Amino acid sequence: EDQVTQSPEALRLQEGESSSLNCSYTVSGLRGLFWYRQDPGKGPEFLFTLYSAGEEKEKERLKATLTKKESFLHITAPKPEDSATYLCAVQDAGGSYIPTFGRGTSLIVHP
Amino acid sequence: DAGVIQSPRHEVTEMGQEVTLRCKPISGHNSLFWYRQTMMRGLELLIYFNNNVPIDDSGMPEDRFSAKMPNASFSTLKIQPSEPRDSAVYFCASSFGTSNQPQHFGDGTRLSIL
Repeated sequence: EDQVTQSPEALRLQEGESSSLNCSYTVSGLRGLFWYRQDPGKGPEFLFTLYSAGEEKEKERLKATLTKKESFLHITAPKPEDSATYLCAVQDAGGSYIPTFGRGTSLIVHP
Repeated sequence: DAGVIQSPRHEVTEMGQEVTLRCKPISGHNSLFWYRQTMMRGLELLIYFNNNVPIDDSGMPEDRFSAKMPNASFSTLKIQPSEPRDSAVYFCASSFGTSNQPQHFGDGTRLSIL
């Protein structure tokens, strides 16, 4: 069974304090790994797709990286507006097309 | 481009009542997904459709839940009769195909069963 584990569950940062969120996964083969941002009262908003180990994607203060066992979402000099829950989802090449979601990391950035 | 549109945004009803949640996917997307999100269990897939056909409904908790997609621009999720343990946020998402394509989510329906 596919497993997706995100850590930490919650993270509090001061504005400008860079950090990383982790998504570790177990699949027979990776078809794709997706990162989403979810604000309170909203649906998850798509951020990135990563397909193979070594791949990196960037958007503003966010950079997502991928290895064969995990993905990191690096947040550089975060601002309060980066506060949200960040979800990762993994699509197994050997299974159905439906991605398995992690439980998310709740990020709060204090001014 | 309009995103995925769900209605109602909030629903409060009494146990035993029928509840119908509605979803309009993004135009051109041919896959549609219904999810339920709770603090305890996170985001759970209930059912997904491809080209209006239900492909996998193994996540539907029990026979009280049913979903339909009569055309490419509309889907419903129905709970009858509703129970307090059905209280959750229900999300609809759509994508263009399923392989490698990200899902685009609506803003959900917050359902409270009293």
